[in-house]
Amino acid sequence: DSGVTQTPKHLITATGQRVTLRCSPRSGDLSVYWYQQSLDQGLQFLIQYYNGEERAKGNILERFSAQQFPDLHSELNLSSLELGDSALYFCASSVGVAGGMNTEAFFGQGTRLTVV
Amino acid sequence: LAKTTQPISMDSYEGQEVNITCSHNNIATNDYITWYQQFPSQGPRFIIQGYKTKVTNEVASLFIPADRKSSTLSLPRVSLSDTAVYYCLVGDGGGATNKLIFGTGTLLAVQP
Repeated sequence: DSGVTQTPKHLITATGQRVTLRCSPRSGDLSVYWYQQSLDQGLQFLIQYYNGEERAKGNILERFSAQQFPDLHSELNLSSLELGDSALYFCASSVGVAGGMNTEAFFGQGTRLTVV
Repeated sequence: LAKTTQPISMDSYEGQEVNITCSHNNIATNDYITWYQQFPSQGPRFIIQGYKTKVTNEVASLFIPADRKSSTLSLPRVSLSDTAVYYCLVGDGGGATNKLIFGTGTLLAVQP
């Protein structure tokens, strides 16, 4: 158990709908990262927050948005869903900005989104 | 962020030592090298991190030559449960823009 909690674990929804994925980071971690992983695209970085502020953006679609709340949990909002948005969405957290010395990122188990 | 290059896949047999090499020719002075492991439908898991020379923990060793343009993850005596994708990342975790980018990774297939 990484200590990162993602809900829901599975989500099935129709095209055109909007969903919200939730992530609770490990206690004490200030950074939250969101990733999308589909079969043909690998692990794609979407966005990073640090202590409530957006810090880095990847190839996140305009239909997607995220935020990190004062209690440090984060939500990823996906709207106007398309079939191609079906994927595993992972959240990760780290104490600081991961990648440097002793700043590993801990990943949740992911939310599997299926758009039908 | 420095780009990394790894083999797409590797095959091994149980009990063998596996070495996965990652090239990172443009690594910056402050960059660390970090390896993650990912099983199907699970989030990546940190394996090991290093800056130079050799680092060893309970699951793997990481060898980094003096020029730091490459690194080698060594898994001793692999088992079937080591079948996974292994990612090499480089970054310094500094500033506000570390995107923690994962490349394509190396799919290690361990056979009996």
